[in-house]
Amino acid sequence: GAGVSQSPRYKVAKRGQDVALRCDPISGHVSLFWYQQALGQGPEFLTYFQNEAQLDKSGLPSDRFFAERPEGSVSTLKIQRTQQEDSAVYLCASSLAAGEGLDGYTFGSGTRLTVV
Amino acid sequence: RKEVEQDPGPFNVPEGATVAFNCTYSNSASQSFFWYRQDCRKEPKLLMSVYSSGNEDGRFTAQLNRASQYISLLIRDSKLSDSATYLCVVKRSGNNRKLIWGLGTSLAVNP
Repeated sequence: GAGVSQSPRYKVAKRGQDVALRCDPISGHVSLFWYQQALGQGPEFLTYFQNEAQLDKSGLPSDRFFAERPEGSVSTLKIQRTQQEDSAVYLCASSLAAGEGLDGYTFGSGTRLTVV
Repeated sequence: RKEVEQDPGPFNVPEGATVAFNCTYSNSASQSFFWYRQDCRKEPKLLMSVYSSGNEDGRFTAQLNRASQYISLLIRDSKLSDSATYLCVVKRSGNNRKLIWGLGTSLAVNP
């Protein structure tokens, strides 16, 4: 596609509910990132994929968070047993390059998750 | 102390003013540097990469001082449409390609 597409755009979940957030990166982009942005904060890194391989998941805040990208394109971020502190905007970004470089990333519009 | 620090502002300036934002980073292994712009309730968008020699894109000038671990963004002849949050972003070297973000500096350009 022309840009990074995320769905749903908004999600309201009851505490304890599981949610799945989808990211459809730009076609052919090798790198895919998930970030979490709380209100008034900069984005915080969650996890990074190079094709289907999850090379870094050091930013996932707990074992309730799980991400996958099984075919190296679409990615899903799953949050189990959601808590109020999970309320944030979840941003997906993709990048053409796999190696080092000065490229920036293209972000999707994000999914705004509100846990009530 | 956060790895990337910015003055959160807000900066309130009149149209046509010149405004400068500063950013410091603490990890000397940082390799690449960017300024992103984020409008309210929108995703961050790349404004410009920052090169060691300094670079300019129209009214925007970015500079990097590796010795002082300092990055700056200068906006000349500011427009109402420049009102946004400007995020300083650093990418580490090595296999870990994640971006490290500052909290952002809020700019309001007033008529």
